[in-house]
Amino acid sequence: NAGVTQTPKFQVLKTGQSMTLQCAQDMNHNSMYWYRQDPGMGLRLIYYSASEGTTDKGEVPNGYNVSRLNKREFSLRLESAAPSQTSVYFCASSPNWRNEKLFFGSGTQLSVL
Amino acid sequence: DAKTTQPNSMESNEEEPVHLPCNHSTISGTDYIHWYRQLPSQGPEYVIHGLTSNVNNRMASLAIAEDRKSSTLILHRATLRDAAVYYCILGTYTDKLIFGTGTRLQVFP
Repeated sequence: NAGVTQTPKFQVLKTGQSMTLQCAQDMNHNSMYWYRQDPGMGLRLIYYSASEGTTDKGEVPNGYNVSRLNKREFSLRLESAAPSQTSVYFCASSPNWRNEKLFFGSGTQLSVL
Repeated sequence: DAKTTQPNSMESNEEEPVHLPCNHSTISGTDYIHWYRQLPSQGPEYVIHGLTSNVNNRMASLAIAEDRKSSTLILHRATLRDAAVYYCILGTYTDKLIFGTGTRLQVFP
């Protein structure tokens, strides 16, 4: 059982480049989330999708867009990467929007030069 | 969002119990208390959550003060694998969870 799968695991971008982080879950969960974690800090919520077909902003949405492609997949796009977006990105899912436990992926380490 | 206060770090010896405190003096009646942990180079992992009563599962116990202004995560016998950052988070049943900086637990052999 794979759980939450994130790709890629590592990525280096130049300032201004764009890329999409992929996330897929195989647990039939309704809700999915994107967090970022900067060194020495806790996780900050970027965007979330309470259910298929809906997306909402979290604490730090600027510079990002998301797509809930289907129930399984939730992607995060950086249209024009900036050094301030250097971080570790975590995708998570939960059975539904009733705040049950979150299941996290192993993360994507992104460096923007 | 309701705030939590945790010590930055704690230490324990292997096979000893660990009590990780969390203060949440502004907790509301509908806030659940959640605990997650993050092992090195991994995503966070759910540990336990509760509302008013103490809770137990295979990983840990959660003791909630009668006034709900504080709680304690109890690891009954720490192992080296329990070395992680532990996050105490408040959230209502429909809130998105906001993580703070947590408590870094070191476990010594």
